Amino acid sequence: SAVISQKPSRDICQRGTSLTIQCQVDSQVTMMFWYRQQPGQSLTLIATANQGSEATYESGFVIDKFPISRPNLTFSTLTVSNMSPEDSSIYLCSVPAGGTNEQFFGPGTRLTVL
Amino acid sequence: AQSVTQLDSHVSVSEGTPVLLRCNYSSSYSPSLFWYVQHPNKGLQLLLKYTSAATLVKGINGFEAEFKKSETSFHLTKPSAHMSDAAEYFCVVSAGGGKLIFGQGTELSVKP
Repeated sequence: SAVISQKPSRDICQRGTSLTIQCQVDSQVTMMFWYRQQPGQSLTLIATANQGSEATYESGFVIDKFPISRPNLTFSTLTVSNMSPEDSSIYLCSVPAGGTNEQFFGPGTRLTVL
Repeated sequence: AQSVTQLDSHVSVSEGTPVLLRCNYSSSYSPSLFWYVQHPNKGLQLLLKYTSAATLVKGINGFEAEFKKSETSFHLTKPSAHMSDAAEYFCVVSAGGGKLIFGQGTELSVKP
């Protein structure tokens, strides 16, 4: 299984600012995924990050709000831009398990926007 | 399009009694299905997965699930609940391109 770390683990931010979340994997992977889990809700896929190409965003998510970088096969960042209290969520990254459709998840970043 | 529906938002059982968490799925092809568990303030952990092999799938911590194509169901069961089973459980379906679609979650409470 892959070991995934995220930084920061939690943060409290002021509205109008931006936060960049880092995701580091201990092995090379082609795809990485970013999810949002709003308070008391399920996980919603934000985007798929492929190394060497633009991220693919799901309906309802746009690059200007959630820019993603994928500089190499073990690392990705998600930025939450111009934050509002509605962005308060847990943000998780994940990677596919080789050969199956399951995914390994990072521990998440708990974001609170005041 | 693929989707999952978890039929109960909250289930409460007594310790030592059986657990049943219900999940129905919709898929235009033979799906991969998963159950993940999320304990409070902890990450997501895979409980078990169905990938078109045996229809009865055994997972960790005594959980199992049965894939029933005729009923489009993938219910999660455990014969005897333990206090440590209290958590949020997500039924998940593969959506192609490596993507996963999560159900709304079922919160399991276990009473002593």
